[in-house]
Amino acid sequence: EAQVTQNPRYLITVTGKKLTVTCSQNMNHEYMSWYRQDPGLGLRQIYYSMNVEVTDKGDVPEGYKVSRKEKRNFPLILESPSPNQTSLYFCASSWNADSVGQPQHFGDGTRLSIL
Amino acid sequence: GQQVMQIPQYQHVQEGEDFTTYCNSSTTLSNIQWYKQRPGGHPVFLIQLVKSGEVKKQKRLTFQFGEAKKNSSLHITATQTTDVGTYFCVYNFNKFYFGSGTKLNVKP
Repeated sequence: EAQVTQNPRYLITVTGKKLTVTCSQNMNHEYMSWYRQDPGLGLRQIYYSMNVEVTDKGDVPEGYKVSRKEKRNFPLILESPSPNQTSLYFCASSWNADSVGQPQHFGDGTRLSIL
Repeated sequence: GQQVMQIPQYQHVQEGEDFTTYCNSSTTLSNIQWYKQRPGGHPVFLIQLVKSGEVKKQKRLTFQFGEAKKNSSLHITATQTTDVGTYFCVYNFNKFYFGSGTKLNVKP
C-alpha cells in the first residue's frame, strides 16, 4: 500500500531534549516536505527536499534540521526543542514539485508537546 | 513570499445547503490545488487546476480557476455531514503555499 509513515504519532518531552521525528515513503517520490499545523495558521512549510542530498528552507525553518540521505526517508530533527515548537507536524511526499505541481501524499501526523 | 488568502475562515451550514470557499492571490498562479482535512486526519488531495477559467467537477464538488489565474473557488452543492472538515487551497511552485483553510461544519 502506498503510504507516508511518520513516527512517533504522539510525543511529550521537555525543553532542550533533542528529538527526531522519522518520515518514510514507499512511492519512490523525489519530493518530500515537513509542515507544522497550528490553529488559525493553516499548514506552514518547515523544510523541503527536491531529491536526495538536496534540502531547502521553507517558511518556518528556525529551530529545525532535516537530512535526505536516502530517497525514502526524510527525518525532522529538533536539536533543542522549545515550547513554541509544540504543534502538529505532517510529512508529505510527491513525485516532484515542478512548476505545474504534483499532488502531495501526507502522513498521519505527529503531535508534539514540548514542556 | 507567495500568499494565497482564503475565505471564509469558518462556515456553519444546515445539511442540504450549499457551501463555497474562495481563494485569492495578488499574483498570477501557475496552478492551484485543493485539499480536504477531516477532523483528526491529514490533508487529502482533491484536485488540481492549471488552465485559465478551468472548471472541474467531482460529484457534488465544483472547482473553478479564475480567468486571470488569481483566484479559485470550491463549491459544494447540497452539503452532507460527510463534507465536514477543513478545505485548503494550495499553490505550488517548488514550495507549497497553503491557504489558511475554511472549516466547514454541517448540522444534520
